[in-house]
Amino acid sequence: QKEVEQNSGPLSVPEGAIASLNCTYSDRVSQSFFWYRQYSGKSPELIMSIYSNGDKEDGRFTAQLNKASQYVSLLIRDSQPSDSATYLCAVAHNYGQNFVFGPGTRLSVLP
Amino acid sequence: SQTIHQWPATLVQPVGSPLSLECTVEGTSNPNLYWYRQAAGRGLQLLFYSVGIGQISSEVPQNLSASRPQDRQFILSSKKLLLSDSGFYLCAWTGGRYGYTFGSGTRLTVV
Repeated sequence: QKEVEQNSGPLSVPEGAIASLNCTYSDRVSQSFFWYRQYSGKSPELIMSIYSNGDKEDGRFTAQLNKASQYVSLLIRDSQPSDSATYLCAVAHNYGQNFVFGPGTRLSVLP
Repeated sequence: SQTIHQWPATLVQPVGSPLSLECTVEGTSNPNLYWYRQAAGRGLQLLFYSVGIGQISSEVPQNLSASRPQDRQFILSSKKLLLSDSGFYLCAWTGGRYGYTFGSGTRLTVV
């Protein structure tokens, strides 16, 4: 059974701080990793993808992947109240294959 | 560019009534298509996926069914809704390594 785990939160950070979201996965041969943001009542939207070990930066977002530890994280720098949402981690065995989603972490950025 | 359309946005149906939700994708061919359900405050549950016309795989046995009559059309149906069918239904597509793109979702309330 392939599993993806995340802390459900809520994770509360003050405005301007760094928010750190973590995800672990059980399928050792997973190759593709994604972070989605879901605002309340809305559908998830893709914010980051990462395929290789290390860091990948996109604006205020940095995804970090460590395949040996089966761990992927998302850092949000200079957190804004508009970042308050649920963040879903998704893992796939291979490109285009069915994703396994984590339960999501609810982030609250306090003004 | 690719777009995904899902309708209706909201639906209130009595127990025992039929259901039909439709999803269409534009700007791509032979996409992998997915139906997910998200119960209130919960994670994403994969219901069905399809890799081609007439090819449907079911992940969760229940009173729902799916069909793919055309390459870019995916339909979720039920003959008789249960209270437990209430939730947020999401259609998604992927064409490869770039992750899922979700439709705007249908919020179904069975009363």
